[in-house]
Amino acid sequence: DAGVIQSPRHEVTEMGQEVTLRCKPISGHDYLFWYRQTMMRGLELLIYFNNNVPIDDSGMPEDRFSAKMPNASFSTLKIQPSEPRDSAVYFCASSRGEHQPQHFGDGTRLSIL
Amino acid sequence: KNEVEQSPQNLTAQEGEFITINCSYSVGISALHWLQQHPGGGIVSLFMLSSGKKKHGRLIATINIQEKHSSLHITASHPRDSAVYICAVRGNQFYFGTGTSLTVIP
Repeated sequence: DAGVIQSPRHEVTEMGQEVTLRCKPISGHDYLFWYRQTMMRGLELLIYFNNNVPIDDSGMPEDRFSAKMPNASFSTLKIQPSEPRDSAVYFCASSRGEHQPQHFGDGTRLSIL
Repeated sequence: KNEVEQSPQNLTAQEGEFITINCSYSVGISALHWLQQHPGGGIVSLFMLSSGKKKHGRLIATINIQEKHSSLHITASHPRDSAVYICAVRGNQFYFGTGTSLTVIP
């Protein structure tokens, strides 16, 4: 297994720019989760999908954030427009079932200047 | 009020010691996860529990649903166990503890 693959690993951009984070889950996993981690707030679940359908997006902070899963092997998390307070590490994880162990990607470290 | 409380926040142990990290939660849950985050930042899911006890190598996780409490035990601790351990529960939404930072000294 290649594991969960996230890109980019690091992103530095200016305030106001659009940011797109990408995730490829493990093949055969039908759940995909997007998390955000900051020093202040710790780990937070933003949204999760089951079979490409968003199930719970209550953690998405505001309308500037959007996530899509057009197919079973790809998901994006988009921030538009970005703000400095969006700086964080964003993790993607996938699992075979909602209550199965989650496999995490290496994360994307996002810095908004 | 945090729905998930972990203790201790920080823990330093000598190599070989038996370690216990505690997690208490205040919501009804369907599952509890223990996560390990290494200094490099990567996160690994150690256990997913809904009842009883699970063991993997030197790690043991227990959960008491009635008492809303879980423990993570590490036997014969090793410096490579140094990491942040995070408890997460699945209720009507996901709740996360703030983590326990463990340092094991050789």
